[in-house]
Amino acid sequence: AQSVAQPEDQVNVAEGNPLTVKCTYSVSGNPYLFWYVQYPNRGLQFLLKYITGDNLVKGSYGFEAEFNKSQTSFHLKKPSALVSDSALYFCAVRTRDDKIIFGKGTRLHILP
Amino acid sequence: KAGVTQTPRYLIKTRGQQVTLSCSPISGHRSVSWYQQTPGQGLQFLFEYFSETQRNKGNFPGRFSGRQFSNSRSEMNVSTLELGDSALYLCASRLSSPPETQYFGPGTRLLVL
Repeated sequence: AQSVAQPEDQVNVAEGNPLTVKCTYSVSGNPYLFWYVQYPNRGLQFLLKYITGDNLVKGSYGFEAEFNKSQTSFHLKKPSALVSDSALYFCAVRTRDDKIIFGKGTRLHILP
Repeated sequence: KAGVTQTPRYLIKTRGQQVTLSCSPISGHRSVSWYQQTPGQGLQFLFEYFSETQRNKGNFPGRFSGRQFSNSRSEMNVSTLELGDSALYLCASRLSSPPETQYFGPGTRLLVL
């Protein structure tokens, strides 16, 4: 079955430290991969996407993600976390048959 | 450009009633998708409309239906509401086909009593 896993429900990081939010996927073919962020009482905001090409994708607000085909992962990273990065983060995969699958979400807490 | 707008933002209904939610996509976007977000199930895909035709559908019962108008605005209808339908309903639009990015509206929070 096709799926997206975000193995951590919550990640705590001290402000200024690097952060990683993990995502792995299981889909057939070469998927399109996305990261979105959701702030309280708001819709999802697009951060970045991987379609093809360079495995390191740079996105909004200083975030980047690394696509690893052999490990079927697409981890979200940022070199130096800000308190304002605290939010709910979703990894998503659009499959070749045009279905989109979201992970359960990871709540990121940046501690001042 | 204005973003995706959804109305109403909040709604309270009772079991058995029906509800219609509205979504206006970003100008020029022809695809509109709907999602249900709940704490337990996360984000689940309901359906996608493109040029007034349903292009894709998730695994929801027939009580959930939608439509798209010629101006790309979309409505979603839920009939015979159940307590479990309480959720945040998100609409997203994109230009046309994958891998175009979807842009989300703020959502409609539905509470069923």
